[in-house]
Amino acid sequence: GAVVSQHPSRVICKSGTSVKIECRSLDFQATTMFWYRQFPKQSLMLMATSNEGSKATYEQGVEKDKFLINHASLTLSTLTVTSAHPEDSSFYICSARGSGRSYNEQFFGPGTRLTVL
Amino acid sequence: AQSVAQPEDQVNVAEGNPLTVKCTYSVSGNPYLFWYVQYPNRGLQFLLKYITGDNLVKGSYGFEAEFNKSQTSFHLKKPSALVSDSALYFCAVRDNQAGTALIFGKGTTLSVSS
Repeated sequence: GAVVSQHPSRVICKSGTSVKIECRSLDFQATTMFWYRQFPKQSLMLMATSNEGSKATYEQGVEKDKFLINHASLTLSTLTVTSAHPEDSSFYICSARGSGRSYNEQFFGPGTRLTVL
Repeated sequence: AQSVAQPEDQVNVAEGNPLTVKCTYSVSGNPYLFWYVQYPNRGLQFLLKYITGDNLVKGSYGFEAEFNKSQTSFHLKKPSALVSDSALYFCAVRDNQAGTALIFGKGTTLSVSS
C-alpha cells in the first residue's frame, strides 16, 4: 500500500522559534496533501489543503502566517510553525491523496508530536 | 457542509462479545465513508471504507461496517471483540467532489475487558 512518512516524529522547541515538519509520499505521487492537528484525546481537525504547485487553502480559524505550508513537489509537503508558542503544542498529522486508483483514499503519515516550551 | 457524528465517547465490551461503534454522517453528495483506528501516540491505521457497491464492507482485523443510506449511518462492528482491539476509533467522511478532505468524527474509545 501507499506509504506516507513524516519527519521529525517528535520535536521539542523553545517558544518563539520556528519548526518545520516534512511530509513525504514514498511510493506514489500526491497531487493533494492535507494537514491536520490533534489535541490529546480529541479528533483530527483539518488545518489546510494543498495542491502541488499552488497555494494552500486554509480552514477557517487557521492562521496562514502562523502555519506556512509548501507543496513544492508531488512527493513533499512541509508545514512550518512560525514563532511557536506553547498553545501550538499538538500532534500534527499529514495526509496525501494520489491520482488514478489511489484518488479516493487518503494515506496518513505517522504524525509529529510538537512540544513548545 | 460535511459532518460526522460519533455519539459515544466510550464503548465498553467484554472480550468475546460483539461490538458496535456508531457513526452517522451528513454530506451534500454521495458519501465516501471510512473507519480508522489510532493507538496511543501513533498515527491512524486504515480499517475499511465504503465508496460504492455492497452496503456491507469488510475490513482489517475482522471489522466490518454497514452503510445505511436511509439512516445516514456507517456503524463499525466486530462479531467477537479482542482485548487488543482497545483503541480510539474514528469515523470519517467526504463527499465525492474532487479535492475535498476527510472530515473526522470526534472519536470513540473502545475498551475491551478480559
